[in-house]
Amino acid sequence: GAGVSQSPSNKVTEKGKDVELRCDPISGHTALYWYRQRLGQGLEFLIYFQGNSAPDKSGLPSDRFSAERTGESVSTLTIQRTQQEDSAVYLCASSRVLGYQPQHFGDGTRLSIL
Amino acid sequence: QKEVEQNSGPLSVPEGAIASLNCTYSDRGSQSFFWYRQYSGKSPELIMSIYSNGDQEDGRFTAQLNKASQYVSLLIRDSQPSDSATYLCAVSWEGGATNKLIFGTGTLLAVQP
Repeated sequence: GAGVSQSPSNKVTEKGKDVELRCDPISGHTALYWYRQRLGQGLEFLIYFQGNSAPDKSGLPSDRFSAERTGESVSTLTIQRTQQEDSAVYLCASSRVLGYQPQHFGDGTRLSIL
Repeated sequence: QKEVEQNSGPLSVPEGAIASLNCTYSDRGSQSFFWYRQYSGKSPELIMSIYSNGDQEDGRFTAQLNKASQYVSLLIRDSQPSDSATYLCAVSWEGGATNKLIFGTGTLLAVQP
């Protein structure tokens, strides 16, 4: 597609349930990033994938959060046993790696934990 | 601790004026710098990239970079109410060895009609 695609756009779930968020990067972008943005706050880095290298998981806030990416394609972010503090917009971005290329963002998934 | 600092604002300017947004960063190894615009409830949108000292102009937008002083700024000429948004400064990490960026928390710009 032309841009980064994320699904679902909105997700409402009960506390304790697991959720899975999906990101489809721009074709040809080997780098993929997940961020979290709480209401009125800045972007919080979660995880970074670059090609077939081991992902940089340094931003994941707890072991309830995990993410996968197969090759240079779709990525899924999974949150297990959701808590109310997980409520936020989850943004995915992708970029080329050659040179100093900017990141391009998807529209995000708005996650609400009841 | 690598940091990117921005004044949270709000920065209020009248329509037609120049809006000046500033950003400082701590990592002297940073080599790429970006400005993103984020409307309320929307995702960040890239508006400017700058990689070398000096000015980079694109329409009404000018990005300015001073690596010696470790600051980058964004000027918006002839500000319009539609420019009202949060502006995020982003700086490369690890000298560009990866494409990871550190984002500032953003400056809220309000252009008054």
